[in-house]
Amino acid sequence: GAVVSQHPSWVICKSGTSVKIECRSLDFQATTMFWYRQFPKQSLMLMATSNEGSKATYEQGVEKDKFLINHASLTLSTLTVTSAHPEDSSFYICSARAGIEAFFGQGTRLTVV
Amino acid sequence: QKEVEQDPGPLSVPEGAIVSLNCTYSNSAFQYFMWYRQYSRKGPELLMYTYSSGNKEDGRFTAQVDKSSKYISLFIRDSQPSDSATYLCAMSANFNKFYFGSGTKLNVKP
Repeated sequence: GAVVSQHPSWVICKSGTSVKIECRSLDFQATTMFWYRQFPKQSLMLMATSNEGSKATYEQGVEKDKFLINHASLTLSTLTVTSAHPEDSSFYICSARAGIEAFFGQGTRLTVV
Repeated sequence: QKEVEQDPGPLSVPEGAIVSLNCTYSNSAFQYFMWYRQYSRKGPELLMYTYSSGNKEDGRFTAQVDKSSKYISLFIRDSQPSDSATYLCAMSANFNKFYFGSGTKLNVKP
């Protein structure tokens, strides 16, 4: 299957700082990428859908000014958690659509202290 | 009502057993059905996808979709300890948005 690389795999940051997470499709072009958040023992919660060259579409309840998404190229989307707080600590996963299949990155464990 | 319902388990079976994992859904517009395997602290890995109703087999894995009952299943034959993971079902109407089950944790005991 296609490969999606997500970086970093884990990050610890201080409260109030910003963190950027990168999602790259390595061997295909992804016009659509998805960003999810996963809480322990729960399923993936879609945060936003990102299309190359256009603004991301955020799900209800997700603050677009806090979770900045940029999809500048067909192989790269970034999620920036701005002014992070401890309640933002979670597992963030990106997914890239390749035709009629969706492939996931390895996930990023964010801990805000 | 959730779009997709999945029993969280955990499901514990002995090595070699046949495992049956299931999901139900409410949206009749769903046409694409997927099963993902997720190991602890890793991203989900696509196992199989099926379009519309029917069966699909890949090695020890068989996916079944019954659209009339809004019910999908994943069967694992000759289960191995390495199959121990959380299995997520997912579905979509048009690939613009995916809906996930909560995941079933499977433990295959040696």
